[in-house]
Amino acid sequence: AQRVTQPEKLLSVFKGAPVELKCNYSYSGSPELFWYVQYSRQRLQLLLRHISRESIKGFTADLNKGETSFHLKKPFAQEEDSAMYYCALRALRNTPLVFGKGTRLSVIA
Amino acid sequence: GAVVSQHPSWVICKSGTSVKIECRSLDFQATTMFWYRQFPKQSLMLMATSNEGSKATYEQGVEKDKFLINHASLTLSTLTVTSAHPEDSSFYICSVLTSGRAYEQYFGPGTRLTVT
Repeated sequence: AQRVTQPEKLLSVFKGAPVELKCNYSYSGSPELFWYVQYSRQRLQLLLRHISRESIKGFTADLNKGETSFHLKKPFAQEEDSAMYYCALRALRNTPLVFGKGTRLSVIA
Repeated sequence: GAVVSQHPSWVICKSGTSVKIECRSLDFQATTMFWYRQFPKQSLMLMATSNEGSKATYEQGVEKDKFLINHASLTLSTLTVTSAHPEDSSFYICSVLTSGRAYEQYFGPGTRLTVT
């Protein structure tokens, strides 16, 4: 079975502080991992995916297969980063995403 | 990417009535679409996979006779909530799966259903 766990419902940080949103997954194979973001009153949008190994809006995430984790990090949080962040997994390219429960990031000025 | 729209964005209906939600892929011919349900402050739960020209595949625990999915064309999938009850009140989100170099899911803005 596929499962994504985001242990924190809410994470509050001060502007300029580092951010780490935790994500752990459970899957017997080699999944694809993603981070999606949902800003207030907007639709869900892709932030980054592990296979592309890119940095989007200063965020990075490294897949750690040993720890089955895919934590999202940013060295200096900005107020505009305040949003709901969802970690997601999929087993195969043409299968649906399975989401974690999400973490609400609040960046305080 | 794909642009996905949903209609209506918000609907209120009375218990016992049926409601149809449309999901349109505006710039991509989508063979596969997904329907999710999101309860307040909770995650997206996959309800079903909608394949053009064939029957939808429902997730365990989702009543197929209650949540009717029709994917009649490559740009339109509909979700009909039949005999709605207050517990069906939720946020329904559709997603289009693109193909080609990168299989990506693009999401609609969602439809908020309130059953009174």
